[in-house]
Amino acid sequence: QVQLQESGPGLVKPSQTLSLTCTVSGGSISGGSYYWSWIRQPAGKGLEWIGRIYASGSTNYNPSLKSRITISVDTSKNQISLILSSVTDADTAVYYCARAGGGYWFDPWGQGTLVTVSS
Amino acid sequence: QSVLTQPPSVSAAPGQKVTISCSGSSSNIGINYVSWYQQLPGTAPKLLIYDNNKRPSGIPDRFSGSKSGTSATLGITGLQSGDEADYYCGTWDSSLSAGGVFGGGTKLTVL
Repeated sequence: QVQLQESGPGLVKPSQTLSLTCTVSGGSISGGSYYWSWIRQPAGKGLEWIGRIYASGSTNYNPSLKSRITISVDTSKNQISLILSSVTDADTAVYYCARAGGGYWFDPWGQGTLVTVSS
Repeated sequence: QSVLTQPPSVSAAPGQKVTISCSGSSSNIGINYVSWYQQLPGTAPKLLIYDNNKRPSGIPDRFSGSKSGTSATLGITGLQSGDEADYYCGTWDSSLSAGGVFGGGTKLTVL
């Protein structure tokens, strides 16, 4: 079955750029009518949708983060990427990637990766 | 402040039934499908219900979902200690600020 795995630096300095990759295995990013999403969760808090990308490269972003986000796809590597610029303490969170279905559901999810913004 | 409103906590005894509400608006729940997720401590969320009331393969029928107007409800019957977790509702908001939205989460305690 499809599995997702996030990877990237666990520590980013304030004002710098956060860069994460999500590798999909057990299925092709280009197969089926799915979006591929990023979602984050600060410690002890709820889920926040960051954005999504289709295999064609079409994207939708959270309006509150849109000016700082870029989500891209590399179908040859079966990966999606997240770039978040000008990070602050408020961006400290566990970042998840997930496959998104047409009914706006998310399944499966990656295990998540903790990113801490600190000098 | 989450776009969707859930009670912070609910509790019930083993074997009992519990419901968790999720309140939204005409631009999200009112016109889009709702999904529900279970998050056990230290793990990623897991899809429980999609398209308002459908269960993915492997999810027991103790879990059910419904939607009416701008609200949705998750029901869990025959409560077990292993059901103790955080539960989140989610959907798409089709307003000018379009995007995925979640509830703030509900902590279920099995007494």
